[in-house]
Amino acid sequence: GIQVEQSPPDLILQEGANSTLRCNFSDSVNNLQWFHQNPWGQLINLFYIPSGTKQNGRLSATTVATERYSLLYISSSQTTDSGVYFCAVNSGGSNYKLTFGKGTLLTVNP
Amino acid sequence: ETGVTQTPRHLVMGMTNKKSLKCEQHLGHNAMYWYKQSAKKPLELMFVYSLEERVENNSVPSRFSPECPNSSHLFLHLHTLQPEDSALYLCASSQDLTGTQYFGPGTRLTVL
Repeated sequence: GIQVEQSPPDLILQEGANSTLRCNFSDSVNNLQWFHQNPWGQLINLFYIPSGTKQNGRLSATTVATERYSLLYISSSQTTDSGVYFCAVNSGGSNYKLTFGKGTLLTVNP
Repeated sequence: ETGVTQTPRHLVMGMTNKKSLKCEQHLGHNAMYWYKQSAKKPLELMFVYSLEERVENNSVPSRFSPECPNSSHLFLHLHTLQPEDSALYLCASSQDLTGTQYFGPGTRLTVL
């Protein structure tokens, strides 16, 4: 099946710093989503982005489908941005079968 | 608040117990999912339902039994679980099988 690799596995920032999280995938995809999981376990959708660029406030994402990677940018980070960021993709005929990466654990210190 | 609720939020059970997890979505979606998240492992898809029909059983042991009585509710019935089944169980829903998935807050299960 499709492989999803996220980097870095851990990231520590000072409040106000910017960061870039990366997601590499091994096959062409029909769907790519970025999620944020807060310390209480809640997964929040950030972006649905199988290709192109999207922005939502301080967050933006870019997926270059031909090169099989996606980037999540966090600008002016805040302590509430802390948590685990997951990339999830699917490919082939089963659009619903998301394969998740292992995530990037982000800690933003005040 | 994502529009997907799960109860209970925490559950401790013995290996001989029978319990059920409940998921409800208030989004008018037609597809619902169960995922398992174990420590240090990626989320694993367990079951998928579309219009109350099961479309995916991802090689899940029979001690986990899903039920989808209508498009708004999804249950996961648990019996004779093992300690390695301890995990966070997440429910999700989407408009259809190709849509963005929205997750509930999860049930943190501990099997003693």
